[in-house]
Amino acid sequence: DTAVSQTPKYLVTQMGNDKSIKCEQNLGHDTMYWYKQDSKKFLKIMFSYNNKELIINETVPNRFSPKSPDKAHLNLHINSLELGDSAVYFCASSQGFLLKRVVELFFGEGSRLTVL
Amino acid sequence: AQKITQTQPGMFVQEKEAVTLDCTYDTSDPSYGLFWYKQPSSGEMIFLIYQGSYDQQNATEGRYSLNFQKARKSANLVISASQLGDSAMYFCAMRGKSGGGADGLTFGKGTHLIIQP
Repeated sequence: DTAVSQTPKYLVTQMGNDKSIKCEQNLGHDTMYWYKQDSKKFLKIMFSYNNKELIINETVPNRFSPKSPDKAHLNLHINSLELGDSAVYFCASSQGFLLKRVVELFFGEGSRLTVL
Repeated sequence: AQKITQTQPGMFVQEKEAVTLDCTYDTSDPSYGLFWYKQPSSGEMIFLIYQGSYDQQNATEGRYSLNFQKARKSANLVISASQLGDSAMYFCAMRGKSGGGADGLTFGKGTHLIIQP
């Protein structure tokens, strides 16, 4: 059973289209994230979300919006796709903090978006 | 703000040799965690090892160990007896406790490690 799963794994689309990437976690975690990995492999956080709070990285265009139907899902919707949106998008989840330990994030396999 | 610096964009190492991947960090958070992730060519992000800022001992996980020097703000990853399957991108990351979990991980730019036979 995959702990954090994303669909689709590959997505090729035209500029101007709207697309969504779905993410589900079965770990019972309370916080989910979206990361963008650019062509130089740099990973940058886009959003974090738990059932109380959505935190948006201020550099993320408002064409990107997270949607969470429930605690186990955090989907990423992108409007009016641009060439520069081509990247690998990773969903991740974690369970806050365990006593003294700062816990790791568990990542999905990534969704490679190509905008033509 | 948190910052992670990985100064080695790429490394070539002979199989069976030990490898040290450098990582320095900067944070104002008094409590934080440091992480290393491996990303093979298949693309998934694999968690390797964790070091807490208040941990007295350096973390170890099998062939991976973390050389944590708090005063120098460094958290280098050491891979002993490297194998061909260790060829991958390696990312150092950190997470502060003050963010309450919502701040996720801040990543370095990564080191591309290639193990040569």
